[in-house]
Amino acid sequence: QKEVEQDPGPLSVPEGAIVSLNCTYSNSAFQYFMWYRQYSRKGPELLMYTYSSGNKEDGRFTAQVDKSSKYISLFIRDSQPSDSATYLCAMGPNAGNMLTFGGGTRLMVKP
Amino acid sequence: GAGVSQSPSNKVTEKGKDVELRCDPISGHTALYWYRQSLGQGLEFLIYFQGNSAPDKSGLPSDRFSAERTGGSVSTLTIQRTQQEDSAVYLCASSLVSGGAFKETQYFGPGTRLLVL
Repeated sequence: QKEVEQDPGPLSVPEGAIVSLNCTYSNSAFQYFMWYRQYSRKGPELLMYTYSSGNKEDGRFTAQVDKSSKYISLFIRDSQPSDSATYLCAMGPNAGNMLTFGGGTRLMVKP
Repeated sequence: GAGVSQSPSNKVTEKGKDVELRCDPISGHTALYWYRQSLGQGLEFLIYFQGNSAPDKSGLPSDRFSAERTGGSVSTLTIQRTQQEDSAVYLCASSLVSGGAFKETQYFGPGTRLLVL
């Protein structure tokens, strides 16, 4: 079993939909939770960063962490075609004091 | 430039050849990371440099992989005797300060797409 599990998708939604992206993990030592967005042929860019449990909101994006369930989510409201990208969750610290990344979910928002 | 740059953007090589991948981090960033991204897989950590400290090589998959960072800036990842399973996107990232790789925003380059025939 992978330390971090993420559905690879693709997830296809119409413009304006609410999108829910999720990751599950097994390492209870994880304290830092991040979401990266990666456009095609680009490097990942940090989108959201959360420490420990709770919610964090930034514009149309909301990150949720449920440490009791070892489950994190990223919600995108009023999704736009420009949100079409691969979203990677990342969390740490792992045994090597580094981040462990999920495999990414490919999102397509159709106009 | 303002961001992390990597070269070449694409590299096609024959099995058994050596390749060198280059990363120019953001000026002033003391921490530099190399990752490998295979299709449908997460980012696999390879190696981490922090200032003048000894690099963390714990993620290197075999002794065919090595990396150096000269003058605390540019880094080169070398893969010797390439194999087909080395085909992947190799990403470089840098961050301003390290208190643990997860504590600081990592800025990624666009990656080098390596194809080993």
